[in-house]
Amino acid sequence: SAVISQKPSRDICQRGTSLTIQCQVDSQVTMMFWYRQQPGQSLTLIATANQGSEATYESGFVIDKFPISRPNLTFSTLTVSNMSPEDSSIYLCSVQAGGLNEKLFFGSGTQLSVL
Amino acid sequence: KQEVTQIPAALSVPEGENLVLNCSFTDSAIYNLQWFRQDPGKGLTSLLLIQSSQREQTSGRLNASLDKSSGRSTLYIAASQPGDSATYLCAVRGPSNTGKLIFGQGTTLQVKP
Repeated sequence: SAVISQKPSRDICQRGTSLTIQCQVDSQVTMMFWYRQQPGQSLTLIATANQGSEATYESGFVIDKFPISRPNLTFSTLTVSNMSPEDSSIYLCSVQAGGLNEKLFFGSGTQLSVL
Repeated sequence: KQEVTQIPAALSVPEGENLVLNCSFTDSAIYNLQWFRQDPGKGLTSLLLIQSSQREQTSGRLNASLDKSSGRSTLYIAASQPGDSATYLCAVRGPSNTGKLIFGQGTTLQVKP
């Protein structure tokens, strides 16, 4: 298993500003994933963050809007840039511990509200 | 394109009932399927993972089954408790172990004391 610490747990931000979300894992993992959960919706994968290489973004998500850092095997950040009210969502990081057959473990999420 | 559907969207039962949550997927070429629990405003907790070669997995009062050919999975909760109240999500990975996880929209369960 893996224990993931994600912060902040929630924030209220002004339009046009940026927020950086941090995710710390208690063990080394190859891949970390960032998801978005819009109100009343299910989870959508934003990008996969690999240590030592550029993040891989899913269709509809771009690096300029959601820059990701992955400086080592236990830590990653996601920045939501130039925010608008449409960015109000829960953002979650997750890891797959122990290889590709293993379960996915999630952080507690960041509840973002943009005014 | 894989699509995952969960029915019903919401369910309310009295404490003690056995219940079944349903998950269907359009592409049977999956690698595995996972059930999660999400409490309000929280992240997800993994409950059960079923590989494509398996038919079911059990953990305590939870039993998940998989019928890959028909594109269906069920999560059976025995003797439900108020603490089981949460949103339950299923997600499929496929067609290989490098495929991304596709989530259903969840079933919100309320167990009344």
